[in-house]
Amino acid sequence: NAGVTQTPKFQVLKTGQSMTLQCAQDMNHEYMSWYRQDPGMGLRLIHYSVGAGITDQGEVPNGYNVSRSTTEDFPLRLLSAAPSQTSVYFCASSPAGPRTEAFFGQGTRLTVV
Amino acid sequence: DAKTTQPTSMDCAEGRAANLPCNHSTISGNEYVYWYRQIHSQGPQYIIHGLKNNETNEMASLIITEDRKSSTLILPHATLRDTAVYYCIVRLGVGSGNTGKLIFGQGTTLQVKP
Repeated sequence: NAGVTQTPKFQVLKTGQSMTLQCAQDMNHEYMSWYRQDPGMGLRLIHYSVGAGITDQGEVPNGYNVSRSTTEDFPLRLLSAAPSQTSVYFCASSPAGPRTEAFFGQGTRLTVV
Repeated sequence: DAKTTQPTSMDCAEGRAANLPCNHSTISGNEYVYWYRQIHSQGPQYIIHGLKNNETNEMASLIITEDRKSSTLILPHATLRDTAVYYCIVRLGVGSGNTGKLIFGQGTTLQVKP
């Protein structure tokens, strides 16, 4: 049972480069979301999705794009990386309904130089 | 989503109960209280949640005051492995446009000491 899988685990980018962080879940969950966590801080919501084809912005969406073409996958795209995007990124998924727990991936550590 | 207030840090002796408070004075009637924890830099882990009744599972107990404006997470016998950041979150319930969003605050850093 893989749960939520994030790839890559580590990445170094140069300023201005683009890349996609991958997130996949095998639990058939409707809800998926992306968070970033800066050193010593709590998690901040970037984007989220309530199902395939439906996405919306979270607290800190600028500089990031998402799409949800399938239930399983929710990639996060950095169009032009900036040093301010250096962070640990977490993907989460959960089933529909209020009495449900969210499952988190192990994170992607991104450094932009 | 209602905001929560937690102490920045707490200490607890190994083997003793750890009681982590959370204030959520603006919580609405259909919002649930959730607790997650994050060990080192791992992904957050679900602990427990409740609406208005006290809840218990294999990890912890959740005590919610009658007016629902505050709650306490109880780890009955804390171990060194319980050292982590604990997040209290309120989240919309059924029929309220629940989008699955979890909005994290700063959390409480619990240090369990030998």
